[in-house]
Amino acid sequence: GQQLNQSPQSMFIQEGEDVSMNCTSSSIFNTWLWYKQDPGEGPVLLIALYKAGELTSNGRLTAQFGITRKDSFLNISASIPSDVGIYFCAGQLVQGAQKLVFGQGTRLTINP
Amino acid sequence: NAGVTQTPKFQVLKTGQSMTLQCAQDMNHNSMYWYRQDPGMGLRLIYYSASEGTTDKGEVPNGYNVSRLNKREFSLRLESAAPSQTSVYFCASSESVGGEKLFFGSGTQLSVL
Repeated sequence: GQQLNQSPQSMFIQEGEDVSMNCTSSSIFNTWLWYKQDPGEGPVLLIALYKAGELTSNGRLTAQFGITRKDSFLNISASIPSDVGIYFCAGQLVQGAQKLVFGQGTRLTINP
Repeated sequence: NAGVTQTPKFQVLKTGQSMTLQCAQDMNHNSMYWYRQDPGMGLRLIYYSASEGTTDKGEVPNGYNVSRLNKREFSLRLESAAPSQTSVYFCASSESVGGEKLFFGSGTQLSVL
């Protein structure tokens, strides 16, 4: 099936640092999303992107829909302890198609 | 605010046993989904139901069956459990027509011995 490759797989940072992660595919996706999963919980939607080049923020989080439609990026500024968790990118090949493809996740650990 | 409720939270089965995972949502969403999460593989769609009365296969449907009992409830059944079905299972519902904005339950950790 379709695959989304997330990078990096894990990150260890100091509190207050900025974080960048990305998601790439060999296929064109028409919707990109970013989810966060806390330990023992299901993922929670952070940001949804619907147009190539779109840049959207949610507090300290900013995500971009890549121009080629084959990638997306998530940045977190001034990290805080509650940012710890696993971040997943997800995409839809066809908007409205019901099915999402998820990346493998980026595990973020923050040293206080 | 209950959102999406899954039961049970933990389950251990022997190979060949059957069981049903229950899921209910109270947000009046039309679409519901079952995903499995395995280490290093993200989440993979098992089955989904775009509306009451319809169900469709996702990426990894083999070994599973589903029932959309009504608008609120969507169950996942393992008829004859196998060790390869050891995983964390998540139910989700969607507020968006396109099914991209998912609300997830807190998961069921299933071990098949």
